[in-house]
Amino acid sequence: DAKTTQPTSMDCAEGRAANLPCNHSTISGNEYVYWYRQIHSQGPQYIIHGLKNNETNEMASLIITEDRKSSTLILPHATLRDTAVYYCIPRGGSSNTGKLIFGQGTTLQVKP
Amino acid sequence: NAGVTQTPKFQVLKTGQSMTLQCAQDMNHEYMSWYRQDPGMGLRLIHYSVGAGITDQGEVPNGYNVSRSTTEDFPLRLLSAAPSQTSVYFCASSSDNGGTEAFFGQGTRLTVV
Repeated sequence: DAKTTQPTSMDCAEGRAANLPCNHSTISGNEYVYWYRQIHSQGPQYIIHGLKNNETNEMASLIITEDRKSSTLILPHATLRDTAVYYCIPRGGSSNTGKLIFGQGTTLQVKP
Repeated sequence: NAGVTQTPKFQVLKTGQSMTLQCAQDMNHEYMSWYRQDPGMGLRLIHYSVGAGITDQGEVPNGYNVSRSTTEDFPLRLLSAAPSQTSVYFCASSSDNGGTEAFFGQGTRLTVV
């Protein structure tokens, strides 16, 4: 399973863009990069995922470097409700298990 | 569309008791998995299944059993509860190996005294 490195914590001002980096240098060629978040002790919430190309949905944008060794999740206009733990997770590939291996994630604190 | 349903939401057990945490999904997903989350920690994979009749161990399988007799259900059995199993348990399901998202239940908060 590919390993990931994320900052332990980050702060962001409300209304500003939050940029959350993730290093996944051992990701295999057919593994997707998934981002989930967890608010308090609720079930993890899916945000976005991508393989090679940058992706955007109603929640966020995902920028994946050309060598696929790192990615950045962008929340364009952070709100207080975006305060959560954010997880970057490589998933898929040849293992064919569908499992998610969570690291420690980044605790994002959005401040007024 | 209920998604992933976990029951019960809360449970208190005495040391040595056994119980089954239920997980059901109504999306016809082949892939299902169980995680535990200890206070202040990330989720850790206990067991997973890639289809009915097929299960395998995750990162922390000791003390837990699973079976997958139907596509919809993936129960997690605690054989003899220990205080170290006090945790929040999450179940997840997905339709494929990685191309589409996995959906999570809202969790079962288990306390073993």
